[in-house]
Amino acid sequence: QVQLQQSGAELMKPGASVKISCKATGYTFSSYWIEWVKQRPGHGLEWIGEILPGSGSTNYNEKFKGKATFTADTSSNTAYMQLSSLTSEDSAVYYCARSRGNYVLDVWGAGTTVTVSS
Amino acid sequence: DIVLTQSPASLAVSLGQRATISCKASQSVDYDGDSYMNWYQQKPGQPPKLLIYAASNLESGIPARFSGSGSGTDFTLNIHPVEEEDAATYYCQQSNEDPPTFGGGTKLEIK
Repeated sequence: QVQLQQSGAELMKPGASVKISCKATGYTFSSYWIEWVKQRPGHGLEWIGEILPGSGSTNYNEKFKGKATFTADTSSNTAYMQLSSLTSEDSAVYYCARSRGNYVLDVWGAGTTVTVSS
Repeated sequence: DIVLTQSPASLAVSLGQRATISCKASQSVDYDGDSYMNWYQQKPGQPPKLLIYAASNLESGIPARFSGSGSGTDFTLNIHPVEEEDAATYYCQQSNEDPPTFGGGTKLEIK
């Protein structure tokens, strides 16, 4: 069964960094792009960017360049997203999702809630 | 970026009736004969779920009461007949141009 399992909720201080994980099972991890999506109440869904685990190739939404960094470990079938210099604007639910091509997101993780608060 | 405008923002439909959700793109999402518009369903506390891809293709495992249509800049998601379990928020997403973008969502209530 194809699944993406995300790490648990994080409570972070402003200015800190956080690293979220997304572990894939049930398919060839290296062959599919992993997408990252942000969701905040009142702001809908925003595409942050993507990584192709097999090559390490990445694409970022211009809006999130400098904020998000993607990595992937093919030995553990896990993708990571690091968010830096956290502010209250980064408080959101972050999803990883598999793209089967043309940004068709067919499998999603359960989401990781990041709360930034002093 | 391509802006997707969904309407209505919310609607209430009686059990067994038809729900129609519109998504208008700020520019065409067609390319080489295909329309790069996808639809997702999201229930509270859950991630989005793919329903329709490439405007009109039903994702595997999705009931046939869901259907999508449209091309260019105008797209529609229909649900008929609506069931209780269809209460959710629905999002369109264009995948023709970077960055992929989502509509603001339409909340469906079942009467």
